[in-house]
Amino acid sequence: EIVMTQSPDTLSVSPGERATLFCRASQSVRSNLAWYQQKPGQAPRLLIHDASTRATGIPARFSGSGSGTEFTLTISSLQSEDFAVYYCQQYKKWPPLTFGGGTKVEIK
Amino acid sequence: QVQLVESGGGLVKPGGSLRISCAASGFMFSDYYMTWVRQAPGKGLEWVSHITSSGDIKVYADSVRGRFTISRDNAKNSLSLQMNSLRAEDTATYYCARWGYSVYFDYWGQGALVTVSS
Repeated sequence: EIVMTQSPDTLSVSPGERATLFCRASQSVRSNLAWYQQKPGQAPRLLIHDASTRATGIPARFSGSGSGTEFTLTISSLQSEDFAVYYCQQYKKWPPLTFGGGTKVEIK
Repeated sequence: QVQLVESGGGLVKPGGSLRISCAASGFMFSDYYMTWVRQAPGKGLEWVSHITSSGDIKVYADSVRGRFTISRDNAKNSLSLQMNSLRAEDTATYYCARWGYSVYFDYWGQGALVTVSS
């Protein structure tokens, strides 16, 4: 099973600042990585797939990078609606499909 | 627009059974693989099961294999999860989700809460 580790657990950021979230895989997943955003009481929403491709309707301030075992999600200028929990998910080797534990982005 | 609406959640005793469903609309349901993902209260996401577009292949997480059964009815645009021998650790919100072009999930339902407690 591929273990996905996200860091930090919590990120405190002021509106308008840049946020950088990290995701590490226990073995290479190439570019088979997705990022999701989840707000309280809501379902997850797909942000990024294939490590760097924005999903339909996702603003350009969200960008993904990385390959192999190290990945980054960057939010260039945080808006109020971006405060949420973010999860990465690998789909290179499965079952099982595995998610990271999440990073909570909170208002500083 | 794509919509996934879960139903059937509720409270069940340990060892009991429950069936949850997901009604799909806004897309050609029979063309897509579908999946169930769950989230225990205050915890992260856990993949549970998926099913191919025709329903011929079903895959399960180790934690539910032998107890849960995924199925679909393409004529009714419906996905189901039959859960037997439920345990306290199965308590979670269960989301149905559609596969994108690869094994990521591009649309999600709002979730069905399943609580296993005596």
